Amino acid sequence: QVQLQESGPGLVKPSETLSLTCSVSGDSISSYCWSWIRQPPGKGLEWIGYIYYSGSTNYNPSLKSRVTISVDTSKNRFSLKLSSVTVADTAVYYCARHGPVLLLDGMNVWGQGTTVTVSS
Amino acid sequence: SYELTQPPSVSVSPGQTASITCSGDKLGDKYVCWYQQKPGQSPVLVIYQDNKRPSGIPERFSGSNSGNTVTLTISGTQALDEADYYCQAWDGSTVVFGGGTKLTVL
Repeated sequence: QVQLQESGPGLVKPSETLSLTCSVSGDSISSYCWSWIRQPPGKGLEWIGYIYYSGSTNYNPSLKSRVTISVDTSKNRFSLKLSSVTVADTAVYYCARHGPVLLLDGMNVWGQGTTVTVSS
Repeated sequence: SYELTQPPSVSVSPGQTASITCSGDKLGDKYVCWYQQKPGQSPVLVIYQDNKRPSGIPERFSGSNSGNTVTLTISGTQALDEADYYCQAWDGSTVVFGGGTKLTVL
């Protein structure tokens, strides 16, 4: 079955760029749409953005100026970059796969999440 | 920006019916999903397209959408249903989550 695995540094310094990768196994990334979501400690879910295999993206307006999501179809993975991080960006970061019909289906496969702490 | 509002907490006795609401402007015109998240775990999709259940989700989970409010209903609630529940909708091309509801089974 499809599995997603987030990877990247667990500690990032303030003002630096957070970089994470989501590796997809059991399915080709060249289908569906793929999202990043985060969850600050003790808080709710916040959508960061999505990317199609074609490279088309859409971002949360509140984060848009700092976010870049890219895809590498040759390695079956997609990535997140969040620039100029602050302590407020400390969170568990999840990657997820959307269902076949984007605006109808939900995110039916999630990674296990990776904790990123912003601290000097 | 578009907002989805959920009650912070809902309590239910085992075997009873739990109802969790999610409200937003003209929400009835959108399709809504629901996710269950247990402590330390990733969210799990339990309802999509307002009232459809993914395979493997028990029949006791159901959803409805009317007007500005959608409702997740859990019939015959079990202790293992205790979790945080999030509604999610689309505002144009962006994903919006509700603030989450903690369901306590006691």
